[in-house]
Amino acid sequence: DAGVIQSPRHEVTEMGQEVTLRCKPISGHDYLFWYRQTMMRGLELLIYFNNNVPIDDSGMPEDRFSAKMPNASFSTLKIQPSEPRDSAVYFCASSLRGLDPQHFMNTEAFFGQGTRLTVV
Amino acid sequence: GQNIDQPTEMTATEGAIVQINCTYQTSGFNGLFWYQQHAGEAPTFLSYNVLDGLEEKGRFSSFLSRSKGYSYLLLKELQMKDSASYLCAVRGNTDKLIFGTGTRLQVFP
Repeated sequence: DAGVIQSPRHEVTEMGQEVTLRCKPISGHDYLFWYRQTMMRGLELLIYFNNNVPIDDSGMPEDRFSAKMPNASFSTLKIQPSEPRDSAVYFCASSLRGLDPQHFMNTEAFFGQGTRLTVV
Repeated sequence: GQNIDQPTEMTATEGAIVQINCTYQTSGFNGLFWYQQHAGEAPTFLSYNVLDGLEEKGRFSSFLSRSKGYSYLLLKELQMKDSASYLCAVRGNTDKLIFGTGTRLQVFP
């Protein structure tokens, strides 16, 4: 497997424009996570999905942010309209589910290379 | 809620040993993870603890105490390439995966 694939790698856009970030998780993974990373706040969880269903979107900062997962192999994070404070690196990660600890199953998340978003 | 604390920065000398601590408060517990992140790159997985005790992986070891909500990452025989940020992450009972803000480690010759 090629790993988690994100596109684009870099995005520069003007304030007010719509931005769409894309993610292809590792085949067979049940969970998909969207994170935003900045120097000030570190790696913040925005939203995560289990079997394509959003489980917790409490980290989404505002209604300007939305995420979808129409099928097991694709997810999007959309910002509309974008603002300069949205500038950050956005990571997508996928993993298998976290099972009962007695199974000792290793359920680490694998990250994509990220999208560096700059809103001017 | 969930909260993860770790020191912001640490420095050490090549060849030395360094311990990076992490304390956490979570809703349920489904494992604690350590990740390494070099500047400009994605986080990469280092270790996983779900039971109390020490897990050793070459030069890196990770310890967990669930009753204390405490973990540490131990790096031995430090090399210059170990200069990076080290992120502590906890998976809660709904499989929510939360990261600490990371500890930036600088290794000097």
